[in-house]
Amino acid sequence: DSGVTQTPKHLITATGQRVTLRCSPRSGDLSVYWYQQSLDQGLQFLIQYYNGEERAKGNILERFSAQQFPDLHSELNLSSLELGDSALYFCASSVVVGGTDTQYFGPGTRLTVL
Amino acid sequence: DQQVKQNSPSLSVQEGRISILNCDYTNSMFDYFLWYKKYPAEGPTFLISISSIKDKNEDGRFTVFLNKSAKHLSLHIVPSQPGDSAVYFCAASHPISNFGNEKLTFGTGTRLTIIP
Repeated sequence: DSGVTQTPKHLITATGQRVTLRCSPRSGDLSVYWYQQSLDQGLQFLIQYYNGEERAKGNILERFSAQQFPDLHSELNLSSLELGDSALYFCASSVVVGGTDTQYFGPGTRLTVL
Repeated sequence: DQQVKQNSPSLSVQEGRISILNCDYTNSMFDYFLWYKKYPAEGPTFLISISSIKDKNEDGRFTVFLNKSAKHLSLHIVPSQPGDSAVYFCAASHPISNFGNEKLTFGTGTRLTIIP
């Protein structure tokens, strides 16, 4: 158990819909990262938050957005869903120690868009 | 542009033998490297990491070697056990500020199968 929690574990929805994925980081971790893993692909970085502020953006679509709340949990919002958005979505958290840190991953949310 | 490459999609090793997983990178700015292990339907689990100031790091049965001049790292598992069967991802990052490293850039993974 990494200490990072994600809900829900599975999500099935239809094209055009909007969903929200939730992540709670490890206790004490200020950074939250979101990654997408499509079928047989590596993990692709989407976005990073640090202590409530957006820190870095990766290949995140404009239909997707995220935020980190004062209690440090984060939500990833996916809207106008398309079939190609079906994937595993992972959240990771880390604490900075001397400029290098290790990201610990949650169990993921499997999104299926029908 | 695949900055982190794992050229072997799969590897089979006899139980008790050494498993060697390889990873190459192209971005010379990377200075921190990690290996993650992933079982189906679970999140990646951190295994071991290495900073670019080192060329070797050991943790129990796992050793990571870094060859900066070749931009190559490898993970050695000795001895291999059936529970090691999983997908292994190599990842790399470089610092962007005192707030921590940038995103991890992952390879596409190597599926390791340990044969009893």
